[in-house]
Amino acid sequence: NAGVTQTPKFQVLKTGQSMTLQCAQDMNHNSMYWYRQDPGMGLRLIYYSASEGTTDKGEVPNGYNVSRLNKREFSLRLESAAPSQTSVYFCASLGWWGPYEQYFGPGTRLTVT
Amino acid sequence: GQQLNQSPQSMFIQEGEDVSMNCTSSSIFNTWLWYKQDPGEGPVLLIALYKAGELTSNGRLTAQFGITRKDSFLNISASIPSDVGIYFCAGQRGDTGNQFYFGTGTSLTVIP
Repeated sequence: NAGVTQTPKFQVLKTGQSMTLQCAQDMNHNSMYWYRQDPGMGLRLIYYSASEGTTDKGEVPNGYNVSRLNKREFSLRLESAAPSQTSVYFCASLGWWGPYEQYFGPGTRLTVT
Repeated sequence: GQQLNQSPQSMFIQEGEDVSMNCTSSSIFNTWLWYKQDPGEGPVLLIALYKAGELTSNGRLTAQFGITRKDSFLNISASIPSDVGIYFCAGQRGDTGNQFYFGTGTSLTVIP
């Protein structure tokens, strides 16, 4: 039971390049989330998926797109990376039953030059 | 967006001391979660709270769901060096579905 996994762990992009961050969970959770973490800003929600087939914008969605590929996987895409997107990105998941608890992956550290 | 005020921002304490931190909101929350984050890692869930007034412990950690439902508190007793890290609160409101809002974190340093 790996929980929430993310790939890659580190990435360096040049301005204008694109990439997709991958996230998968094996806890049979319905909801999945993408956050970014910047120094002094805490965690800010980019997009979330309440259930398979649905996605909604969070607090800072501009410059990102997401895909809920199936119940397990939720990807985040940067179409044209900008230096302002240099950050640490965390994926999280939440089950609707039992303990109402959100679990995080280990993060992807992205630098855009 | 929703703001959670977490204080203090940072703490420097001697090993063995007790620690208190809190989180306040302008909105009523249904759920409060407390996380710890080590450098280079993702946040790890410590304690979850679901009812106003609820007091829940996890080893040396105790958290409380404030009776106004607009605040929560985390206490760490007899701190040890491995308590070092950043502690985050997160809250969930009833009117925004499964979204969680996060505080800006409390950085804890334990001096041996």
